[in-house]
Amino acid sequence: GAGVSQSPRYKVAKRGQDVALRCDPISGHVSLFWYQQALGQGPEFLTYFQNEAQLDKSGLPSDRFFAERPEGSVSTLKIQRTQQEDSAVYLCASGYRQLAKNIQYFGAGTRLSVL
Amino acid sequence: KQEVTQIPAALSVPEGENLVLNCSFTDSAIYNLQWFRQDPGKGLTSLLLIQSSQREQTSGRLNASLDKSSGRSTLYIAASQPGDSATYLCAVGRAAGNKLTFGGGTRVLVKP
Repeated sequence: GAGVSQSPRYKVAKRGQDVALRCDPISGHVSLFWYQQALGQGPEFLTYFQNEAQLDKSGLPSDRFFAERPEGSVSTLKIQRTQQEDSAVYLCASGYRQLAKNIQYFGAGTRLSVL
Repeated sequence: KQEVTQIPAALSVPEGENLVLNCSFTDSAIYNLQWFRQDPGKGLTSLLLIQSSQREQTSGRLNASLDKSSGRSTLYIAASQPGDSATYLCAVGRAAGNKLTFGGGTRVLVKP
């Protein structure tokens, strides 16, 4: 596809359920980022991959959050034992270096609602 | 820790007026600064990117300035149109991995 694709677009989970959110980056993009956006706020950084290596996971809020990118392309963000405060839009972005600008392209996000 | 603030949080103007959106950041050691647009239920669209060595960038009706020493950026949108209604986010990037630190956004409504 031409852009970053995220699925599902919407996810409703009961508290305590595990969820998995998928991101298909733009083909050939080396960098991949996950952000969490609470209602009415700006996105907050969760984690960053360069190819299959997770170089920064400092933004993951707890050990219930886990991200992987095993083949350096598709990435999955997994949240275990979901809680109400996990309700947010989860944005994925991929990027490449163009004249050292490090431009990021964002997907439409997955809106997670935990009941 | 870098903190990014956007004021005002919301703005309503009649069509044709110029828009001025403000962004401030606490750590001036930035790699670049980006302005994004976000429509309801959609992802982020990059509008302008300013490298730390630059003072401004222009694209059509949009102009963004950067003053690193004072930790400020301003996005100007000339002759606003109803289609400009959206949330505008600014974000600063570090060199390493360029993870972005976002402001809370300014929600803009342009009334016809």
